[in-house]
Amino acid sequence: QVQLQESGPGLVEPSGTLSLTCAVSGGSISDSHWWTWVRQPPGKGLEWIGEIFHSGSTNYNSSLKSRVTISVDKSKNQFSLRLSSVTAADTAVYYCARDSSGFYSFDHWGQGTLVTVSS
Amino acid sequence: DIQMTQSPSSLSASVGDRVTITCRASQDITNGLGWYQQKPGKAPKLLIYTISSLQSGVPSRFSGSGSGTEFTLTISSLQPEDFATYYCLQHNIYPWTFGQGTKVEIK
Repeated sequence: QVQLQESGPGLVEPSGTLSLTCAVSGGSISDSHWWTWVRQPPGKGLEWIGEIFHSGSTNYNSSLKSRVTISVDKSKNQFSLRLSSVTAADTAVYYCARDSSGFYSFDHWGQGTLVTVSS
Repeated sequence: DIQMTQSPSSLSASVGDRVTITCRASQDITNGLGWYQQKPGKAPKLLIYTISSLQSGVPSRFSGSGSGTEFTLTISSLQPEDFATYYCLQHNIYPWTFGQGTKVEIK
């Protein structure tokens, strides 16, 4: 059973860079799946951030594209998110997930990690 | 971007009720539509993919239907563990977009 686990700082200062990692276990990140990031501000809905394939190909939400970088480390079986120039509006629970790739869905999710942007 | 409009935004229902949630897309998304359940403090859970396919392990009281721009999630007989927030997700045209959610509460 594939499992995903997010990790990273829970507090980031305004104008700084948010960095999170998603460790994948029970499966290989080199399998034919896209790996994705989704976020959820407190009390609000879900927003797709972007995705990466093990080849390094990426797709990003245009609303965040100028600030987002998603990368993959196949040797560690993990992928990462960097979001620059953060503001309080970036405070959210960040989830990593596996795209079922071919079935138009996110079939496995991490538990999520809260990142607060504050000084 | 494709806008996904869910209705209602919230509803109150009793155990045993039949519940229907609708999601409308701003343009045709063919079969790229899924439904997710989220309980407080938990990650979303996939219920339905490609409009009407039931994810493994999900009870058969959940079903999905629709086509093109209008889609429906139905819970045939609401159970206590079904009280949660439900989201649709279009996964056909970038960027993938979620509906705003429907909170199902106990009457």
